[in-house]
Amino acid sequence: AQSVSQHNHHVILSEAASLELGCNYSYGGTVNLFWYVQYPGQHLQLLLKYFSGDPLVKGIKGFEAEFIKSKFSFNLRKPSVQWSDTAEYFCAVGGGTSYGKLTFGQGTILTVHP
Amino acid sequence: EAEVAQSPRYKITEKSQAVAFWCDPISGHATLYWYRQILGQGPELLVQFQDESVVDDSQLPKDRFSAERLKGVDSTLKIQPAELGDSAMYLCASSLRLAGEAETQYFGPGTRLLVL
Repeated sequence: AQSVSQHNHHVILSEAASLELGCNYSYGGTVNLFWYVQYPGQHLQLLLKYFSGDPLVKGIKGFEAEFIKSKFSFNLRKPSVQWSDTAEYFCAVGGGTSYGKLTFGQGTILTVHP
Repeated sequence: EAEVAQSPRYKITEKSQAVAFWCDPISGHATLYWYRQILGQGPELLVQFQDESVVDDSQLPKDRFSAERLKGVDSTLKIQPAELGDSAMYLCASSLRLAGEAETQYFGPGTRLLVL
């Protein structure tokens, strides 16, 4: 069975600081990897996704993530966060034998202070 | 931009009562998912439909939960009877599989259930 681990439950940063949120998954086969974001009061939105090709994926709002197969990791990064990035971020894994189904991590709450 | 619709947005009920949630996926999306998200955790799949057929309901507590998608479009998730531990956010998502792309799920706003 797939599982996803997000390293930090709550990250607090000041504006302009760099961000890296860790995500590790446990599945040895072909996977699709996603980061979703949930802003306060809003629904889950796709931030970026990886399924093949360049392991460095760029998403919306200046976010990017790097797929490192040997480390089973898909960390999310942003060089300079803004107050508006305050949200909860979820890493998810899909594919393999669990066609379509997404397995989510427990989420990381990001708080950005102005 | 097309969105997944869900209703109601909030539901308060007493234990042992029946509750039902409705989801209308993005038009043309053949795959529909129901997830449950307990506070402080990520969403967990309850049931997956491909058109009107159930593809995966291995995590659905079938003694009390049921789901249907009769015409392959909108879907209803029912709990009967509700228990205190069912208090959670119930999310609906839909997707359309395109050749050469990762299947992307689009989520609705969810129904927040509180069982008293």
